[in-house]
Amino acid sequence: DTGVSQNPRHKITKRGQNVTFRCDPISEHNRLYWYRQTLGQGPEFLTYFQNEAQLEKSRLLSDRFSAERPKGSFSTLEIQRTEQGDSAMYLCASSRIETQYFGPGTRLLVL
Amino acid sequence: ILNVEQSPQSLHVQEGDSTNFTCSFPSSNFYALHWYRWETAKSPEALFVMTLNGDEKKKGRISATLNTKEGYSYLYIKGSQPEDSATYLCAFINEVDNQGGKLIFGQGTELSVKP
Repeated sequence: DTGVSQNPRHKITKRGQNVTFRCDPISEHNRLYWYRQTLGQGPEFLTYFQNEAQLEKSRLLSDRFSAERPKGSFSTLEIQRTEQGDSAMYLCASSRIETQYFGPGTRLLVL
Repeated sequence: ILNVEQSPQSLHVQEGDSTNFTCSFPSSNFYALHWYRWETAKSPEALFVMTLNGDEKKKGRISATLNTKEGYSYLYIKGSQPEDSATYLCAFINEVDNQGGKLIFGQGTELSVKP
């Protein structure tokens, strides 16, 4: 257990529905990252926060995706109008200095 | 586009065998290389953070080396055990991204160790 938790662990949804995932980082970590992993690939960077500020977003993050980190604590990732191509493992990580500690991920399946 | 390549994609060994994997990354603008182990249904576990050319790190039976000039890192496992079965991921940080720490991952090497 790395100390980073993610909920839910699994989500099945129908195309067109909205989904929201939550990440609780290690409490003293000021940086929080979201990555997405699809089958046969390594995780790909989506976005990151330093405290409550979202400092970088990948081009992978379309307008249907939004992430927040209110008060610099937990973070949420919302996907609106889900598409089948959104099916993936969504990973969250937090760090204070250099090592990123990952949560177990949320596996999303869009039918 | 920054590419990080890992080989082989998968590896099947017998318990007790020693094994190694390769991670190739861009040799220019290097900042750091991370290795992770990811077991099924668990969180990716950080193994090493490597920053200096010639770096060699060790954790139990696992060790890693780094060559930033030619852009590769090797991960070695001595005397593989079934509990070593996992996907091993390397991740590169570009000097441009060093303030944010964005990891660029390879596709991973899936290791299976048979008893």
